[in-house]
Amino acid sequence: AQKITQTQPGMFVQEKEAVTLDCTYDTSDPSYGLFWYKQPSSGEMIFLIYQGSYDQQNATEGRYSLNFQKARKSANLVISASQLGDSAMYFCAMREGRVAGGFKTIFGAGTRLFVKA
Amino acid sequence: DARVTQTPRHKVTEMGQEVTMRCQPILGHNTVFWYRQTMMQGLELLAYFRNRAPLDDSGMPKDRFSAEMPDATLATLKIQPSEPRDSAVYFCASGLGDRSTTEAFFGQGTRLTVV
Repeated sequence: AQKITQTQPGMFVQEKEAVTLDCTYDTSDPSYGLFWYKQPSSGEMIFLIYQGSYDQQNATEGRYSLNFQKARKSANLVISASQLGDSAMYFCAMREGRVAGGFKTIFGAGTRLFVKA
Repeated sequence: DARVTQTPRHKVTEMGQEVTMRCQPILGHNTVFWYRQTMMQGLELLAYFRNRAPLDDSGMPKDRFSAEMPDATLATLKIQPSEPRDSAVYFCASGLGDRSTTEAFFGQGTRLTVV
């Protein structure tokens, strides 16, 4: 069964500093994708970054990078140079890569990030 | 600017009434997801479609919920009869392809309140 765990209900970070949001996962499927989404107070879900299970390098998208440690089954999101606008809920998600019958994407419980001025 | 469109954005209804939520996926996307978000349960996958065919709706209460894709540009989620515990934000998301590498793009959600 799939499982996504985000152990930090809330995090504080000082503006302009870096912050790491933790995510661990559990799957028996060798092929899977890991995603991070941001949900600001407006409620929309914004895709941030993706990491494939077979990718050799950690994914990066601007100020976002994904610290992928496959053996530990962790996919932590690192936000560099935090900005006030980064204050939001952050969700880690995983999709298995089954060929037949489709696939599911499940989400962790989320981490609420507060950026302090 | 391609985006997933959900209607209505807000819905308040009385217990027992039928509720229909609509979603227009991004043109060309062949995978559609329905999620429900509550404070207690977080984001739950209710159902998803690939090429308009339902692949998995195991997350959906079958007795009152139904999801369909009448055509490639419309997905619907119906609740009949609605109950107060159905109050939540319902998200539709769409994606291109059916591999694990595809991210899902979310609509703005329908906030449902059942009184």
